[in-house]
Amino acid sequence: SSVLTQPPSVSVAPGNTATITCEGDDIGSETVQWYRQRPGQAPVLVIYYDEDRPSGIPERLSGSRSGNTATLTITRVEAGDEADYYCQVWDSDHDPSFVFGGGTKFTVL
Amino acid sequence: QVLLVQSGPEVTKPGASVKVSCKASGYLFTTYYVHWVRQAPGQGLEWMARIIPDSGDTYFAQKFQGRITVTADTSTNTAYMQLSRPTFDDTATYYCTRSSLRDWYFFDVWGQGAQVTVSS
Repeated sequence: SSVLTQPPSVSVAPGNTATITCEGDDIGSETVQWYRQRPGQAPVLVIYYDEDRPSGIPERLSGSRSGNTATLTITRVEAGDEADYYCQVWDSDHDPSFVFGGGTKFTVL
Repeated sequence: QVLLVQSGPEVTKPGASVKVSCKASGYLFTTYYVHWVRQAPGQGLEWMARIIPDSGDTYFAQKFQGRITVTADTSTNTAYMQLSRPTFDDTATYYCTRSSLRDWYFFDVWGQGAQVTVSS
């Protein structure tokens, strides 16, 4: 059963590097996606297939996966990166099949 | 430009029903799943259901079985989600989103969301 665990909050000063993790027993066998949700807005896909970026997403955002942990890394953090970030997997053995992590509130200090 | 434009806010009473629409444009409607994802106030994202617009094939999270109806009209490129017998816990923003029939793992375009309030 796929449960994805994210830290509730992460804070980083501008210009520094931030990492947001997503842990889950099934992450080792499932592709991971990341979404950014700014206040009052709909989610936006920022990483898919663990590490691919949709067009328009800056290279400062990157994804990786190792063992049971996926990581979203944001380098040269900017004020505009402040948002909630959610990881997501598709797990055919789980109900619902599309599973989201609980979300991480990312604050730029 | 690919867009999913949803209907406006709704207020409904407990036990009634509510219907949200999602009009797609800028892409071939029949080549993508349409999904419904909701977000309660201050909470995370919860996947509810999906439909293949061409065939009408649907799949629901077990939690919503028997209470949710999802349809699609390929003549107007519009998908609909109806939630029956809502309770106060169904107060949330309901999003439609899409994933391709071939790469269904991720949601690349989202609607702006429709606020549904269940209130007596």
